[in-house]
Amino acid sequence: NAGVTQTPKFRVLKTGQSMTLLCAQDMNHEYMYWYRQDPGMGLRLIHYSVGEGTTAKGEVPDGYNVSRLKKQNFLLGLESAAPSQTSVYFCASRHYEQYFGPGTRLTVT
Amino acid sequence: GQQLNQSPQSMFIQEGEDVSMNCTSSSIFNTWLWYKQDPGEGPVLLIALYKAGELTSNGRLTAQFGITRKDSFLNISASIPSDVGIYFCAGPLWGYSGAGSYQLTFGKGTKLSVIP
Repeated sequence: NAGVTQTPKFRVLKTGQSMTLLCAQDMNHEYMYWYRQDPGMGLRLIHYSVGEGTTAKGEVPDGYNVSRLKKQNFLLGLESAAPSQTSVYFCASRHYEQYFGPGTRLTVT
Repeated sequence: GQQLNQSPQSMFIQEGEDVSMNCTSSSIFNTWLWYKQDPGEGPVLLIALYKAGELTSNGRLTAQFGITRKDSFLNISASIPSDVGIYFCAGPLWGYSGAGSYQLTFGKGTKLSVIP
């Protein structure tokens, strides 16, 4: 039982490039979430999903898209990366409470 | 949206000392959660509180759900070096969207440093 896994762990992008972050969970959880963490800002919710095929916006959704084609996977996409998207990204899944993955550190130059 | 205020922002303590931190809000919460984040890792759930006045322990950690439902406290007894990290409180953001989505709002964290 691996819990919540995220790939990649690190990535450097140039401004304007695109990429997809993958989150996978093996706990059969319905709810999944994407957060970003910036110094001094705590965790802020980007998008979330309440089940396969559904997504919804969180607190800071601009510049990101998500998809939940399979129950166990939640993808976060950046279509045109900007330096302001330099951050650490965490995925979480939930049955009763949220459990987090190890994070992806993204730098946009 | 609802905001959670954590204090202190950071603290330096000697190994063996007890630690106390708290989280307050201007809104009522139905659940209080405490997470710990080790450097370079994701947050890990320490304690979940579901009832006003509830006192719950997890090893050397004890957390309390305030009677007013607007605050919570986390205490660590006899600190050790592996207690180093950032401690976050969190609660459900009920009013942000429909029931069932269970979005969380997080405090900005208390950074704990333990001096051996």
